[in-house]
Amino acid sequence: GENVEQHPSTLSVQEGDSAVIKCTYSDSASNYFPWYKQELGKRPQLIIDIRSNVGEKKDQRIAVTLNKTAKHFSLHITETQPEDSAVYFCAASPGATFGTGTRLKVLA
Amino acid sequence: NAGVTQTPKFQVLKTGQSMTLQCAQDMNHNSMYWYRQDPGMGLRLIYYSASEGTTDKGEVPNGYNVSRLNKREFSLRLESAAPSQTSVYFCASTSQVNMNTEAFFGQGTRLTVV
Repeated sequence: GENVEQHPSTLSVQEGDSAVIKCTYSDSASNYFPWYKQELGKRPQLIIDIRSNVGEKKDQRIAVTLNKTAKHFSLHITETQPEDSAVYFCAASPGATFGTGTRLKVLA
Repeated sequence: NAGVTQTPKFQVLKTGQSMTLQCAQDMNHNSMYWYRQDPGMGLRLIYYSASEGTTDKGEVPNGYNVSRLNKREFSLRLESAAPSQTSVYFCASTSQVNMNTEAFFGQGTRLTVV
């Protein structure tokens, strides 16, 4: 089955700096790569996703890049704000396999 | 439109007790899933149901059973709870099989087994 690895497990950045979280996947048949944000005590919610027919997608301060050849994809958050502090999960589909999560702390 | 609703939100069980976690979605989704979330382990798939009438094991199915009661409802049962099942449980649903579209999660159930 699919194996998704996510790094780093924790990340601290100063407010206004950028944050990058990386994931690798094993199944070359994977074609859908979502990112979920989970605030403390809340449910995971989709923040951005990308399909394998594009290499990059942006939505305001967040972007996702995909390298199909290397089987990795990354989440980029620019101009970080305290409300970006949360746990972020990547996933690769088809399948229902999530990465182990990255706890992002944005320091004011 | 409530999305995905789970009950209960909190539960404490004694070792050996049984219980059923309920999940319902009102988005007419075909596929539903049960995950457990443990610190540092991310979201691990317990069971899923690609469509009404079908269920399949995920990564960590031991100690659990599921029932896809109808298109809306997917329940998770612990027959004889163990301390290792202490976790936060999330139900999720997607319109397409294999989570190939956005997943919508319930609010979670925090289960403690003592």
